[in-house]
Amino acid sequence: SQTIHQWPATLVQPVGSPLSLECTVEGTSNPNLYWYRQAAGRGLQLLFYSVGIGQISSEVPQNLSASRPQDRQFILSSKKLLLSDSGFYLCAWSVGGGLGYTFGSGTRLTVV
Amino acid sequence: SQQGEEDPQALSIQEGENATMNCSYKTSINNLQWYRQNSGRGLVHLILIRSNEREKHSGRLRVTLDTSKKSSSLLITASRAADTASYFCATPPAGGGADGLTFGKGTHLIIQP
Repeated sequence: SQTIHQWPATLVQPVGSPLSLECTVEGTSNPNLYWYRQAAGRGLQLLFYSVGIGQISSEVPQNLSASRPQDRQFILSSKKLLLSDSGFYLCAWSVGGGLGYTFGSGTRLTVV
Repeated sequence: SQQGEEDPQALSIQEGENATMNCSYKTSINNLQWYRQNSGRGLVHLILIRSNEREKHSGRLRVTLDTSKKSSSLLITASRAADTASYFCATPPAGGGADGLTFGKGTHLIIQP
């Protein structure tokens, strides 16, 4: 069966520090991968998506970047965190075609 | 921009009652999906209804879709305390592309014991 792992669950980082969040998927090949951010009490904002290794599409200009070094690995990074980067980050995968998505358990990032 | 908008933003009912949440969207869709999010957790896919379907059931869930009004509703019957969560509607990109789902802001449902 397919599973998705996302870590860490919580993270507190100082302003200006780097960030690396990792997401891996098991049990499927060539998934579409997504990073979303959710501000407190709000809906989800799509940050990045990827349809294959090395292929990254950005939805909004921001202080973050994404990479897909392997088929089932998706990484969200920042060189210097801002206070506004605080939020709940969710990784997801899909088989494509607009069908259902499977989400990871999320990372709560607090920038202090 | 937001595609789906849920209504109401918050809903509190007694255990055993039915809960109805609504979603409106703006553009043509191939399908509409509902997700549940427990506090501080990831989203869980509940049900998908295709644009050529009007109603779909899954256990205690009933989803309707009215493409002429660009709206959908999620009904949870015989609610339980464990149903307390936020519920989101979401739509995929037109044409089934790889772009991510567009989510509404969600309805926060509280089931009072």
